[in-house]
Amino acid sequence: GDSVTQMEGPVTLSEEAFLTINCTYTATGYPSLFWYVQYPGEGLQLLLKATKADDKGSNKGFEATYRKETTSFHLEKGSVQVSDSAVYFCALSDFTGNQFYFGTGTSLTVIP
Amino acid sequence: EAQVTQNPRYLITVTGKKLTVTCSQNMNHEYMSWYRQDPGLGLRQIYYSMNVEVTDKGDVPEGYKVSRKEKRNFPLILESPSPNQTSLYFCASSSLPRFEQFFGPGTRLTVL
Repeated sequence: GDSVTQMEGPVTLSEEAFLTINCTYTATGYPSLFWYVQYPGEGLQLLLKATKADDKGSNKGFEATYRKETTSFHLEKGSVQVSDSAVYFCALSDFTGNQFYFGTGTSLTVIP
Repeated sequence: EAQVTQNPRYLITVTGKKLTVTCSQNMNHEYMSWYRQDPGLGLRQIYYSMNVEVTDKGDVPEGYKVSRKEKRNFPLILESPSPNQTSLYFCASSSLPRFEQFFGPGTRLTVL
């Protein structure tokens, strides 16, 4: 079945460091790919998405490119801030668009 | 304010005592879904609904029921809760599943 595998955490970075969180997927057909962010005590919020191969999603300085050849959707940010501290989830919706699969989440802590 | 609300936010109950977690959205969304979040497992989809009276199983439906009698409401029912259903539950809605899902604040359930 469909699945998402993402980098284990936790990740601790200094402010202004470069961030990469790896995400790979297994899916039938052409899934849509998402990154969601969860701040402490809150529900998830969409960070960015990509619906077809080679699409690049971007938001708030974060970017991820849908790579069909490597079945990957890695999250990157050039310079993290303390306010980026959160748990990040990679997710896909299957080819029907109805079912969602999430990765296990990667906790990021950014220290001043 | 556009939002997804869940009630209760916290619940402690005992094995076998039926309970319902309510979910309501005010965005006129067609699609609604329930997830459970467990450490090391990320979010797993329990049930989803494409529209009124249309529901289908997600990845982990065992022990849960849902109904969609009105567009705005999508309650999650545990007929006979067991300790392995202790978890953090999220409801989400979207206009279409490939679009952004809006998540509720979560319900923390403990089954003793």
